[in-house]
Amino acid sequence: RKEVEQDPGPFNVPEGATVAFNCTYSNSASQSFFWYRQDCRKEPKLLMSVYSSGNEDGRFTAQLNRASQYISLLIRDSKLSDSATYLCVPLTHGSGNTGKLIFGQGTTLQVKP
Amino acid sequence: GAVVSQHPSWVICKSGTSVKIECRSLDFQATTMFWYRQFPKQSLMLMATSNEGSKATYEQGVEKDKFLINHASLTLSTLTVTSAHPEDSSFYICSARVGGAKNEQFFGPGTRLTVL
Repeated sequence: RKEVEQDPGPFNVPEGATVAFNCTYSNSASQSFFWYRQDCRKEPKLLMSVYSSGNEDGRFTAQLNRASQYISLLIRDSKLSDSATYLCVPLTHGSGNTGKLIFGQGTTLQVKP
Repeated sequence: GAVVSQHPSWVICKSGTSVKIECRSLDFQATTMFWYRQFPKQSLMLMATSNEGSKATYEQGVEKDKFLINHASLTLSTLTVTSAHPEDSSFYICSARVGGAKNEQFFGPGTRLTVL
């Protein structure tokens, strides 16, 4: 089983739509989770950090279900600028509070006018 | 805050040459930096964890003698691709971990390496 699984999409939605991405992870010991967005040929940019059951920041809401080992990202009122690849990234803790980010292929969102 | 820079942003070199990529944390100190590689339409793959003042920890399958990592200060880590070959052409991205319990990592803008 892959460490991180996301529906690659692409998700094509009109402006103003609400869209949700799901992500499942295999390592039950993962304690922290991050959503990054990556634009084509650019570096990932941190969108949201999730340490407990969820987090909300403006139009973006993340929810974590540890029992089922999945995390979701909800985007409300989609903008054209939201078009990107969204990466669900669990943090695997190592010794000394260091941790490795495990990247999957992400979910591609295309917001149409 | 949490700005990470990388240099160069792109490089084209001949097969057999060595290429050095620098990663700097500009407004914070990073005891731990990470080096990733991303091929087209693929996910980021962690190559190694760079620890200030000690040897880097390489992921399985990554040749430590080919990808030399030096983390000489709290704000600078370098990756040297030695004797580069066309198959090493890729997007190399570093990240730096912000200290504390949050464990957030911020990425540099990446270096696009093309080996002819």
